[in-house]
Amino acid sequence: QKEVEQNSGPLSVPEGAIASLNCTYSDRVSQSFFWYRQYSGKSPELIMSIYSNGDKEDGRFTAQLNKASQYVSLLIRDSQPSDSATYLCAVNRGGTALIFGKGTTLSVSS
Amino acid sequence: DTGVSQDPRHKITKRGQNVTFRCDPISEHNRLYWYRQTLGQGPEFLTYFQNEAQLEKSRLLSDRFSAERPKGSFSTLEIQRTEQGDSAMYLCASSQDRGGTYGYTFGSGTRLTVV
Repeated sequence: QKEVEQNSGPLSVPEGAIASLNCTYSDRVSQSFFWYRQYSGKSPELIMSIYSNGDKEDGRFTAQLNKASQYVSLLIRDSQPSDSATYLCAVNRGGTALIFGKGTTLSVSS
Repeated sequence: DTGVSQDPRHKITKRGQNVTFRCDPISEHNRLYWYRQTLGQGPEFLTYFQNEAQLEKSRLLSDRFSAERPKGSFSTLEIQRTEQGDSAMYLCASSQDRGGTYGYTFGSGTRLTVV
């Protein structure tokens, strides 16, 4: 089992819809969780971080964490074509480097 | 401060040649990380430094790879005797905290093509 797993997609949603991106991780001692957005040919950009069980909202983005299920998700409300990108889930086990999933490609159609 | 800077942006080299990449982190960040990313994959961890000390190296970092961070400022990643399998985007990132709690800031990357 890979340390951080994501469905590679593509996930296609119409403009204005809610996009739901999911991530599971294998190491129960993981402490910090991040979502990065990566446009084609560009480097990853941090968009959300979450450390405690529950929801964390920032604008149109909501990160959800369930440590018991080892599950992290990212919801994007009112999706825009500019949200079309690859979304990377990253996990930190404490004191070491982030481990990234393969990413989920999101396509928002206008 | 303009963020994490990487140089060069692109590098094309012949198989067997040596290449060196440079990363200048955000000045107040004490941690610096190197990752490699190939098409369709997420970034794969290579190594990281806290100040000038190299604290962890991935098994992906073969003997042909070496990284340095003299004086805890900029860092270099050297690949000796390049192979076609080394073709990838090499990403540098930095962070301020001790445990990766706040995520990283990535540079624009160096895209390496080995022909």
